[in-house]
Amino acid sequence: GAVVSQHPSRVICKSGTSVKIECRSLDFQATTMFWYRQFPKQSLMLMATSNEGSKATYEQGVEKDKFLINHASLTLSTLTVTSAHPEDSSFYICSARDSSGRRNEQYFGPGTRLTVT
Amino acid sequence: KQEVTQIPAALSVPEGENLVLNCSFTDSAIYNLQWFRQDPGKGLTSLLLIQSSQREQTSGRLNASLDKSSGRSTLYIAASQPGDSATYLCAVRGAGNMLTFGGGTRLMVKP
Repeated sequence: GAVVSQHPSRVICKSGTSVKIECRSLDFQATTMFWYRQFPKQSLMLMATSNEGSKATYEQGVEKDKFLINHASLTLSTLTVTSAHPEDSSFYICSARDSSGRRNEQYFGPGTRLTVT
Repeated sequence: KQEVTQIPAALSVPEGENLVLNCSFTDSAIYNLQWFRQDPGKGLTSLLLIQSSQREQTSGRLNASLDKSSGRSTLYIAASQPGDSATYLCAVRGAGNMLTFGGGTRLMVKP
């Protein structure tokens, strides 16, 4: 199946600093990528949808100035958590949709564990 | 707004048992439904994808069914093994071509 990678897999940062997470589709082009957030023992919550070359669409309650998303190419999207605080500590998962396939399937990255101290 | 519910939230069974995980959704206007597996601290692995025109999909010991009109899907796991222990997530693709996830079922298969 298609592969989506995330980097880093785990990051610890101090409160007030910014953290960038990369999401790459390795063997297909993804015009649309998604960023999810997952708290312990909870399901995935969609944060935003990014389309290559255009501004991301954020879900209600997600601060676009805090969670900066850039989707500059068909294989790369980045999420930057600006001025991180301990409450931003969470598991962030990206996903990419292979729009060229008939199945219109989404593939998920392995996730990034962010801990803000 | 689409809502996806998974029952039970947690399940513990002895090795070898056949089991059924349930997923229900409120809006039957969906394109497809996916079942995922998530191991602790890991990302999602797609198990089965059922298009809206399909009734079921099978992969090895897994069988997923879809009854779109009643808004239900089941994931059947035959002859469960300890390695099947994980969280199973159901997600439907509906309006806006967006995935909506259920809360998941945490499965523990005891040896």
